[in-house]
Amino acid sequence: KNEVEQSPQNLTAQEGEFITINCSYSVGISALHWLQQHPGGGIVSLFMLSSGKKKHGRLIATINIQEKHSSLHITASHPRDSAVYICAANNNNDMRFGAGTRLTVKP
Amino acid sequence: DAGVIQSPRHEVTEMGQEVTLRCKPISGHDYLFWYRQTMMRGLELLIYFNNNVPIDDSGMPEDRFSAKMPNASFSTLKIQPSEPRDSAVYFCASSRLASRGTQYFGPGTRLLVL
Repeated sequence: KNEVEQSPQNLTAQEGEFITINCSYSVGISALHWLQQHPGGGIVSLFMLSSGKKKHGRLIATINIQEKHSSLHITASHPRDSAVYICAANNNNDMRFGAGTRLTVKP
Repeated sequence: DAGVIQSPRHEVTEMGQEVTLRCKPISGHDYLFWYRQTMMRGLELLIYFNNNVPIDDSGMPEDRFSAKMPNASFSTLKIQPSEPRDSAVYFCASSRLASRGTQYFGPGTRLLVL
């Protein structure tokens, strides 16, 4: 079993839909990261959180430390949100990555 | 700031050759990370530095891989000799506060070893 599991692996949505991507981890963490990898390959860090919830524009990330689970939500999804979203568990710089969720938002 | 800079962006080489990847972190960042991404294994942390000192190299796959950070503005990842299974995208990232700081990724170097 992988230490960081993401679901779903692939997700197709219509523009405007509410998106949820889930991440479960089995290792201890000092922080949980959500990354976005664009079709061109570039990686952008979206969130780093160790408790509670963070919001940036249409993106919201939550984490439940007791359940070792985090979710990334996208409200009012747009085709430009199409990318691979990667969850990473950071245990004092020992980073373990999920396999990623490929999101496609259709107009 | 220009962000994290990596060079070259693409590298094609033959098996057995030495490959050197370069990274310039964001000024003021004291942590630097090297990652590798493949289709089979996804993203993996290879090594990271704090204040130019290697802290954890347990992710380095084998002795053919080495990394250095001679100063705060430059790091190299060297593969010698290279093998086809080293083909991957290699990312460099930097941050100010490591596990408590956002990591900023470079554009990556796409390596193909024939």
